[in-house]
Amino acid sequence: EDQVTQSPEALRLQEGESSSLNCSYTVSGLRGLFWYRQDPGKGPEFLFTLYSAGEEKEKERLKATLTKKESFLHITAPKPEDSATYLCAARSGSARQLTFGSGTQLTVLP
Amino acid sequence: NAGVTQTPKFQVLKTGQSMTLQCAQDMNHNSMYWYRQDPGMGLRLIYYSASEGTTDKGEVPNGYNVSRLNKREFSLRLESAAPSQTSVYFCASRETRKGSYNEQFFGPGTRLTVL
Repeated sequence: EDQVTQSPEALRLQEGESSSLNCSYTVSGLRGLFWYRQDPGKGPEFLFTLYSAGEEKEKERLKATLTKKESFLHITAPKPEDSATYLCAARSGSARQLTFGSGTQLTVLP
Repeated sequence: NAGVTQTPKFQVLKTGQSMTLQCAQDMNHNSMYWYRQDPGMGLRLIYYSASEGTTDKGEVPNGYNVSRLNKREFSLRLESAAPSQTSVYFCASRETRKGSYNEQFFGPGTRLTVL
């Protein structure tokens, strides 16, 4: 059974304090690892897709990386507007659809 | 371009009542999805439609039915609502491409409470 686990569940940072969010996955034959941002009361918004170990993608203060067992979302010098819940999801070769983690709720304090 | 739209935004039902959640997308996507999101459990797939005219069960289909009305619209029906169906429901769509599994686009959600 495919599993995706995110840690920590919640993270509070001071503005400018860099950190990383973790997404561990157990899937048979990864076919894509997805990161989404979700603001309160809204639907998830797509950030990145990673397909193979060693791949990295960047967008503003966010950088996503992928290994054979986990993905990291690095947040460099975060701002309060980066506060949101960050979701990751994996698609395996055997499953036709995505398996989502339960998310990390990030709060960036001014 | 509105993307994915959902109606209603909020709904309160009594146990045993029925209702239909509506979803439409204007991106000409083939695939559409219904998820539910509960605290601490992440998004769980209820049903999906890989193309117009087809539907398949996801992880948690019991108590729900779906209709892919046309390429744009995908509705979710609760025939006899139960308190366990209190949740936030998200519709999503995706362009299908050969050789890669690309991202899903989500609607704003419907917040459903069953009393």
